[in-house]
Amino acid sequence: AQTVTQSQPEMSVQEAETVTLSCTYDTSESDYYLFWYKQPPSRQMILVIRQEAYKQQNATENRFSVNFQKAAKSFSLKISDSQLGDAAMYFCAYRRGRGGGADGLTFGKGTHLIIQP
Amino acid sequence: DADVTQTPRNRITKTGKRIMLECSQTKGHDRMYWYRQDPGLGLRLIYYSFDVKDINKGEISDGYSVSRQAQAKFSLSLESAIPNQTALYFCATSRQGVWDTQYFGPGTRLTVL
Repeated sequence: AQTVTQSQPEMSVQEAETVTLSCTYDTSESDYYLFWYKQPPSRQMILVIRQEAYKQQNATENRFSVNFQKAAKSFSLKISDSQLGDAAMYFCAYRRGRGGGADGLTFGKGTHLIIQP
Repeated sequence: DADVTQTPRNRITKTGKRIMLECSQTKGHDRMYWYRQDPGLGLRLIYYSFDVKDINKGEISDGYSVSRQAQAKFSLSLESAIPNQTALYFCATSRQGVWDTQYFGPGTRLTVL
């Protein structure tokens, strides 16, 4: 079974600075997808960014980017120019590749990100 | 209007009661999921459905049942609620494809006394 580990229960960063959230995963699959979701106090789960395992290029979405290290099974999220609205729980998630999509996502336990004004 | 809706948003019930949580979507997606979130544990998959005729158990299906009434509707039932089923419940949907990205409803906060 796949597992996803987020080793930082809580992180704090000053507004406008950069922060990196860590995620590692364990799988025997070669084809899979990785996601970061954000959960603000409203509790809504919001997709932040996604990455295909067979693409070496790291995904980027505006201020959010990932550092995907397939051999190390690492998928960290970098948030640049942190804003107060970035304060939330962040969850890393894994999904198996083709044919395994409907199995659902495997989530890490989350990292609580605090933005200091 | 929200693409994925869940009713009720909050519910308090008593041990032994039967309760149903409902999920509806207007995204036209074929796949639907139910997850449970507990503090410090992330989200865990309860059931998922490929389409109306396909229902599958997830990681933690014991004590739960589901019904896919239509492509757009997927309900989760607790036949006899117990206190350790107190949690935040999420419905999600996705479209079969390369990404199969899941989009979540707003969640239902369930408390079992």
